[in-house]
Amino acid sequence: NAGVTQTPKFQVLKTGQSMTLQCAQDMNHEYMSWYRQDPGMGLRLIHYSVGAGITDQGEVPNGYNVSRSTTEDFPLRLLSAAPSQTSVYFCASKKGSWAFFGQGTRLTVV
Amino acid sequence: GQQLNQSPQSMFIQEGEDVSMNCTSSSIFNTWLWYKQEPGEGPVLLIALYKAGELTSNGRLTAQFGITRKDSFLNISASIPSDVGIYFCAGVTGNQFYFGTGTSLTVIP
Repeated sequence: NAGVTQTPKFQVLKTGQSMTLQCAQDMNHEYMSWYRQDPGMGLRLIHYSVGAGITDQGEVPNGYNVSRSTTEDFPLRLLSAAPSQTSVYFCASKKGSWAFFGQGTRLTVV
Repeated sequence: GQQLNQSPQSMFIQEGEDVSMNCTSSSIFNTWLWYKQEPGEGPVLLIALYKAGELTSNGRLTAQFGITRKDSFLNISASIPSDVGIYFCAGVTGNQFYFGTGTSLTVIP
């Protein structure tokens, strides 16, 4: 049982480049979400989805897009990366109050 | 977003000592969760609390859901080196999780 799988684990981008962070879960959870983690800030919610075809904004959505075409996958897209998006990104899926996190993607934008 | 204040921000303790940390909020939550994050990994759920006043243990860890529903506490007894990590509280309301800023724990052998 893989749980929540994130790829890549590390990424360096130049300002203005685009990329997609992948997240997949095999637990058939309806709810999935993306967080960013910055020093001293805890985990902040970027976007979330309560099921395939449904997405909504979290606390810090600007600069990020998401889509949810299947229950399993919830990719996070950066259309034009900025240095302020340097962070560690975590994907999570949730059933009830139990949230399971991926291992994270460390993104550096130079 | 809702702000969860977690304290202390960091702790340096001797192996064998007990540890206490807490999380407070200006809002009421229906569920409180405590997570541990080790370097290079995602947070892992330690304890879940579902009603005010509830006291729940998981091995050497004990957590309490505050009576006001605006706070929660985590205690670790007889700390060991593998307790090192960052501990996060999370308040849950509906589908939304709100995380504290974390308590970084260092255990000195």
